[in-house]
Amino acid sequence: DTGVSQNPRHKITKRGQNVTFRCDPISEHNRLYWYRQTLGQGPEFLTYFQNEAQLEKSRLLSDRFSAERPKGSFSTLEIQRTEQGDSAMYLCASSLDQFGYTFGSGTRLTVV
Amino acid sequence: SQKIEQNSEALNIQEGKTATLTCNYTNYSPAYLQWYRQDPGRGPVFLLLIRENEKEKRKERLKVTFDTTLKQSLFHITASQPADSATYLCASFRMDSSYKLIFGSGTRLLVRP
Repeated sequence: DTGVSQNPRHKITKRGQNVTFRCDPISEHNRLYWYRQTLGQGPEFLTYFQNEAQLEKSRLLSDRFSAERPKGSFSTLEIQRTEQGDSAMYLCASSLDQFGYTFGSGTRLTVV
Repeated sequence: SQKIEQNSEALNIQEGKTATLTCNYTNYSPAYLQWYRQDPGRGPVFLLLIRENEKEKRKERLKVTFDTTLKQSLFHITASQPADSATYLCASFRMDSSYKLIFGSGTRLLVRP
């Protein structure tokens, strides 16, 4: 297993377009998280899955954001009608428990 | 609200010296704190976890302390090397959640050869 994989690594999109990111966690990890990070800041929690169930969603996630984890394996994060304020690094992490997350390398989104 | 604060100013030290980074928390009492390393353009990498009943934890050249009276954790890198240059993040869970990890903004460390 090569760790948490995220695709694409970079995405440039025009304002108003929809984008989707994919995260493949470590196979035996049942917990999966999405975070967002802007320059000079620490990652901010977006949402959490335990297996296929989305157990929490941050208030940071507007109705334009949706995340899924079908069958408790990979996860997707979709942003509809992107805005310039959505430009950030989107990080996915997975874990077996709450002690020590394994993060992917992230998807850097630029909305122009 | 629960906050984790780290010094936003970069720490610039000479190779071989000990780097000490600070993490302060306010308005709550975390059961444990975690430290991560982040390189530019990469995701954070987990380094160490320390529980509130542990005063100190070590791993190779890394040492973490947890002072519940001062509401502070210190992260030390002894015999620092240029390869240690990175941003170091402190994190803990919110009191109302066992999975919503909150991060400080990180401190950038630069080790000069």
